[in-house]
Amino acid sequence: QKEVEQNSGPLSVPEGAIASLNCTYSDRGSQSFFWYRQYSGKSPELIMFIYSNGDKEDGRFTAQLNKASQYVSLLIRDSQPSDSATYLCAVNMAGTYKYIFGTGTRLKVLA
Amino acid sequence: GAVVSQHPSWVICKSGTSVKIECRSLDFQATTMFWYRQFPKQSLMLMATSNEGSKATYEQGVEKDKFLINHASLTLSTLTVTSAHPEDSSFYICSAIRSAGIVKRGANVLTFGAGSRLTVL
Repeated sequence: QKEVEQNSGPLSVPEGAIASLNCTYSDRGSQSFFWYRQYSGKSPELIMFIYSNGDKEDGRFTAQLNKASQYVSLLIRDSQPSDSATYLCAVNMAGTYKYIFGTGTRLKVLA
Repeated sequence: GAVVSQHPSWVICKSGTSVKIECRSLDFQATTMFWYRQFPKQSLMLMATSNEGSKATYEQGVEKDKFLINHASLTLSTLTVTSAHPEDSSFYICSAIRSAGIVKRGANVLTFGAGSRLTVL
């Protein structure tokens, strides 16, 4: 069973702080890794993806990938109340177009 | 950017009836689409992979005779929930990726429709 694990939270951070969201995956052959944000009652929207070891930055967001440890994270700098949502980690299974989602981490940014 | 349209956004039906949900890729061709189901406070569960011009591939535990998928063109996939029951009430979300060869394999991005909330009375 291919798995993607996330802490369900809620993770509460004060406005302006850095929020750190973590994800581990079991399939060593996984190729691409995605972070989606999902507001309550809405469908997921892509924040960013990463497929090489290291960091990838996009505005206030930084994705970090460590394939040896099978670990991917998302950092949100200068967190805003509008960032409050559930963040889903998704992994693309090697050799397929299939994506496995984690259960999501609920983030609360306190004003 | 890639846009996926899903319709209807919500539907209420009586137990025993069938409901059809449409998923369209508006500005790109999608040879592969995915159907997910999400129950409250749970993650997305892949139900099936819809392939243009061929049969859908269902995930373990998903009844193919109950959840009929048709992908007749490169821009349209439909999910029909047949003989719906209250336990089928859920948020159904489709997604699509661009055709292979346009986007580097391994970095294809899923674009989601807005979702369809089904309530079966």
